[in-house]
Amino acid sequence: KAGVTQTPRYLIKTRGQQVTLSCSPISGHRSVSWYQQTPGQGLQFLFEYFSETQRNKGNFPGRFSGRQFSNSRSEMNVSTLELGDSALYLCASSPNGVGYTDTQYFGPGTRLTVL
Amino acid sequence: GENVEQHPSTLSVQEGDSAVIKCTYSDSASNYFPWYKQELGKRPQLIIDIRSNVGEKKDQRIAVTLNKTAKHFSLHITETQPEDSAVYFCAASNNFGNEKLTFGTGTRLTIIP
Repeated sequence: KAGVTQTPRYLIKTRGQQVTLSCSPISGHRSVSWYQQTPGQGLQFLFEYFSETQRNKGNFPGRFSGRQFSNSRSEMNVSTLELGDSALYLCASSPNGVGYTDTQYFGPGTRLTVL
Repeated sequence: GENVEQHPSTLSVQEGDSAVIKCTYSDSASNYFPWYKQELGKRPQLIIDIRSNVGEKKDQRIAVTLNKTAKHFSLHITETQPEDSAVYFCAASNNFGNEKLTFGTGTRLTIIP
């Protein structure tokens, strides 16, 4: 099976712009989670989608949003970019069967640089 | 919410020696504890995980122990090799890995040849 894929791999934006990142989960996986990784804050949970619904949300401002499509692919959007949004954005997918362990598999990430 | 603390932040060991990384968690409802290895410029890769109904799990040179009472879990790597050099993250989840992982701050492990 192909792994989790993310596009684009690298992005450079300027403050105030918006950006959309894409994540394609492993075939058959229904849950997609997004994480922000920075040297200072480590890996921080953004949100998780399952069956096109946001099921969990981390402590990020409303500028960060996402969605999931019927094929389980997910997009994440950040509006009004700030310098502090520069980070590696990772998505992870899992099969998601309630009640048993679901390993999360990570994509390669999108490195966003805000100038 | 859940809070995961990880120690040490950096660890250097001689090749062939053992390495131990420790994590504590705050939410007694957490029931799934994976460990990820992240090499420079690469994605986090799951190396081992443990559920709350198990006290220890081994996979070749890697083992994880869990103490639910004390709310801490540890990663043990024996007979370390240069390719073990990486950043290791522990994490906790309260739904068997579904939905959300709360990560520790990472441990940079360096194996000295």
